[in-house]
Amino acid sequence: EDQVTQSPEALRLQEGESSSLNCSYTVSGLRGLFWYRQDPGKGPEFLFTLYSAGEEKEKERLKATLTKKESFLHITAPKPEDSATYLCAVGNAGNNRKLIWGLGTSLAVNP
Amino acid sequence: DTAVSQTPKYLVTQMGNDKSIKCEQNLGHDTMYWYKQDSKKFLKIMFSYNNKELIINETVPNRFSPKSPDKAHLNLHINSLELGDSAVYFCASSRPGGVADTQYFGPGTRLTVL
Repeated sequence: EDQVTQSPEALRLQEGESSSLNCSYTVSGLRGLFWYRQDPGKGPEFLFTLYSAGEEKEKERLKATLTKKESFLHITAPKPEDSATYLCAVGNAGNNRKLIWGLGTSLAVNP
Repeated sequence: DTAVSQTPKYLVTQMGNDKSIKCEQNLGHDTMYWYKQDSKKFLKIMFSYNNKELIINETVPNRFSPKSPDKAHLNLHINSLELGDSAVYFCASSRPGGVADTQYFGPGTRLTVL
């Protein structure tokens, strides 16, 4: 069964303290792995799509990487405005539209 | 120039009532979705339409009925509301193409059933 597991559930960092969020997945044919950011009271905001193992993408302080079993979202020198819930989802090659979602990691960055 | 918009943003109603949520996207996308996000933040797909054709219909009570008048609009009508329907409902859209198509979300509609 296709599944996405994110860890940790919650993470508290000091401003400037780099860390990584994990997204482990099992899927019968990866069509794409997606990272989203969700702020309280708002809809998920798209960050990255990764398609194949070894691929990396960066945006400001965020860098997403992908292996055959998991993806990491590395946050370098985070700022308080990076505080949000980060969601991971995967697309199954057998279903062209449906995404399987993780429960997210709630990140809090203290000044 | 909002990309995916939903109305209303908040909806408070009594059990047993019927209500509708509307969604519009101006991204020129072909596919639209309805998701339910519960208190644990899990995003559960409910329905998806591609060019007005229903392509995803998850195990959802038949009190929920989507309708897509055109590819830019997707509405959700809920009959006989129950306490368990309280959640945030998100609309999303995507344009198929390439290996995977990215979904873009609206701001959500917070439904509270009393």
